[in-house]
Order: sequence, then structure tokens, then C-alpha cells
Amino acid sequence: DSGVTQTPKHLITATGQRVTLRCSPRSGDLSVYWYQQSLDQGLQFLIQYYNGEERAKGNILERFSAQQFPDLHSELNLSSLELGDSALYFCASSSGLQGGRYGYTFGSGTRLTVV
Amino acid sequence: AQTVTQSQPEMSVQEAETVTLSCTYDTSESDYYLFWYKQPPSRQMILVIRQEAYKQQNATENRFSVNFQKAAKSFSLKISDSQLGDAAMYFCAYRSPRAAGNKLTFGGGTRVLVKP
Repeated sequence: DSGVTQTPKHLITATGQRVTLRCSPRSGDLSVYWYQQSLDQGLQFLIQYYNGEERAKGNILERFSAQQFPDLHSELNLSSLELGDSALYFCASSSGLQGGRYGYTFGSGTRLTVV
Repeated sequence: AQTVTQSQPEMSVQEAETVTLSCTYDTSESDYYLFWYKQPPSRQMILVIRQEAYKQQNATENRFSVNFQKAAKSFSLKISDSQLGDAAMYFCAYRSPRAAGNKLTFGGGTRVLVKP
């Protein structure tokens, strides 16, 4: 157990629907990162939050949004889902904002299948 | 933008033997961090080893070691005495301490197969 908790582990939904993925960071970590892992594009950075504030955006679609709550858990909202959104979505956390020599701690991911 | 390239889609190794995974990266920075992550069939991303660019000494973690060649922008991973549990996808990753968001940039991955 890495200490980063992601729910649900699996999600199957239809095109056009909206889903919410949840992440609880490791105790004491203030930064949360979201990554998408698809077969054809590897691991792509989506967005980062630090202590409730958005700090960086990657290749995140406008249909996707995220937030980090006061208790530091984060949610990734995916709407108007398309078949191509099927992927493994990872959440990771780290203690700081800058200068981290250490890699992140990853959760076990949410497997999203859009049918 | 930084890019990370893993040129070997798949590598096969006999149990107890040694395998080396290649990784090259493109950057104009002098200070950065490099990582190798392992992703077994469980899908969990596990940090294997990390290297700080300002350190000349190559990092070692038990049976895992790296060959960091800063001038060549190369960061290979050597797995010694390979075990069946080493079978997984391995990802090389780069991070700049100055990049907004502190994000990791990953290579495309190398699948390691371990033959008994």
C-alpha cells in the first residue's frame, strides 16, 4: 500500500456520460498530480494541485476538470466522455511544491472504460 | 520542452542474468532529477531508483543501478541477478526543479520479460 488511495479501481460508463475519480494523497503530502496512461500515448501529465490551488496544467482537455479540497483529497471530473478517454488514470502525491528530489508516490490507478 | 526516449520496447532476460535498459532525454537545463519507475501487472507505479544531475556518482539500490552520462544525456538502468518479480514495464522519467508544477515527464516504457 503506497498510501495514496484512488477510488474506484474500475469504472465502465457510456459515451457522453460524466464520471468523478477520487484521490486521497499520502498523509502529509500537499501536492496532488493527475496522470493519464493510455496505450498509444504513455503517461501524460494532466494537472497538479498544491494545498488546494491549481499549480500546473498539462495536456488536459477542456472536458476534464479537477479540484483539491481542504482535506487535501482531489477529484478529477471527466465529462462528455468519448471512447478515446478510456485509459488508466493515476493520482500521485508529494510533500512539497518545488525542489523535490524525490519521485512521487503513485496510487494504484482507476481503469476507465468508455463503451 | 523536455522529452524522454526509451528506444527498447521490450527486453528479455534469463533469470539470474543482467539486463540494461536505455533512456535518453533532451534538456537545456543543468540541474534536474531522473527516475526509473517499475509498473508490474498490478499497475502500481513503483519508484525504483533516482539520480540527481549534480551528483556524479551513479545511484545504486540493491540489484538496481544506473549509468548516468550527463554529457550524453543518457540514463540507463541495469538490473542484476534478475528475478521473476522484476518482470514489468519500466519507465524512465525526468523532472526539472524549476518547471511549473514539478511534473514528471515519462518515456514510453520498456517491457522486461524474465525467463525462468
